[in-house]
Amino acid sequence: DTAVSQTPKYLVTQMGNDKSIKCEQNLGHDTMYWYKQDSKKFLKIMFSYNNKELIINETVPNRFSPKSPDKAHLNLHINSLELGDSAVYFCASSQELGLNTEAFFGQGTRLTVV
Amino acid sequence: DAKTTQPNSMESNEEEPVHLPCNHSTISGTDYIHWYRQLPSQGPEYVIHGLTSNVNNRMASLAIAEDRKSSTLILHRATLRDAAVYYCILRSLLKETSGSRLTFGEGTQLTVNP
Repeated sequence: DTAVSQTPKYLVTQMGNDKSIKCEQNLGHDTMYWYKQDSKKFLKIMFSYNNKELIINETVPNRFSPKSPDKAHLNLHINSLELGDSAVYFCASSQELGLNTEAFFGQGTRLTVV
Repeated sequence: DAKTTQPNSMESNEEEPVHLPCNHSTISGTDYIHWYRQLPSQGPEYVIHGLTSNVNNRMASLAIAEDRKSSTLILHRATLRDAAVYYCILRSLLKETSGSRLTFGEGTQLTVNP
């Protein structure tokens, strides 16, 4: 069983479209995250949710809207896609928000905007 | 977030130990030192973490300097599968939310030679 699963794995879409990436974790964790890895391979946190509540919201354009229907899911919806949104998006989860906890990452969704 | 400094790249031979250094001179008293690695085309994977004392697990050992301003990840016997980017991260408390986040740097690209 995959601990943190994301769908789709690959997504190619045109500029201006709206798309969603889904994430599910079966670890019973309270906290979930979205990270973005750009072409230079920098991994940057975008959002963090704890018990369905938004905890971290980095300076991400408001075209990006996370939604957590329950603790096991954190989906990422992106409106009006731009070329610069092309990246690999990783979902992750951890038991809780604290310092003494490890995070589990999904395999990533490679988004290509053309 | 406190910053970490790692060499851009390191090489090792298979079956030999590898010592991956990390400097974090601005670490605060409550920061945990985390190590993750990212294999090609995969999501980051947790390796080990610690606060003050040295830590061992099935994957690696973490040696933390007495002043906590540096640490070393030790892979006891490198295999070809250990070739990855290794990230040294300080997990810090967020004052606003009492949560924490993982802030990735550039990491060290480890090459393992057969």
